[in-house]
Amino acid sequence: DAGVIQSPRHEVTEMGQEVTLRCKPISGHNSLFWYRQTMMRGLELLIYFNNNVPIDDSGMPEDRFSAKMPNASFSTLKIQPSEPRDSAVYFCASMAPNTQYFGPGTRLTVL
Amino acid sequence: AQSVTQLDSQVPVFEEAPVELRCNYSSSVSVYLFWYVQYPNQGLQLLLKYLSGSTLVESINGFEAEFNKSQTSFHLRKPSVHISDTAEYFCAVKPDHTDKLIFGTGTRLQVFP
Repeated sequence: DAGVIQSPRHEVTEMGQEVTLRCKPISGHNSLFWYRQTMMRGLELLIYFNNNVPIDDSGMPEDRFSAKMPNASFSTLKIQPSEPRDSAVYFCASMAPNTQYFGPGTRLTVL
Repeated sequence: AQSVTQLDSQVPVFEEAPVELRCNYSSSVSVYLFWYVQYPNQGLQLLLKYLSGSTLVESINGFEAEFNKSQTSFHLRKPSVHISDTAEYFCAVKPDHTDKLIFGTGTRLQVFP
């Protein structure tokens, strides 16, 4: 099993640009989670899906952030427009019954 | 509401010494318990978990944790650490009624030669 796959692994962009992060969950997992990790705030849950439907997006910081899951094998997290304070590592995780498995993360730097 | 407390933000230890990383949780409902490890510049890896059955669970690299319901704890232990165990360790709980994980703030284990 390839595990959770995220792309790109690193992204450097300028303030105001659109950023799209991608995630492929483990096959057969029904739930998918997006997290953000920073030194200041630690690990934060942004949004999660169950059977491709958003269940809880209360952690999404503001309207500049959006997430979609068009099918069971793909999800995106989009930031438009990006700001320097969005710089962080973004993790995707998928869940087998009761256990989450994390991807390697995307390190985003907004200049 | 549920919460997870990792009292030690950093634990320095010499190689081959024993170590215990503490985790306490608060919950009014049944929970599942997890330890994740994050090596530098990597994602979180599942180290071990308690879902049911024996309260003592073990990982493949020598760590173990014991679920203590009366003390609401899930401390992580290893009898002899290696340099390669240097990492951030996160305790997490999953309440029975939700898919969400509640994480502690993490403990940085630093193993010195």
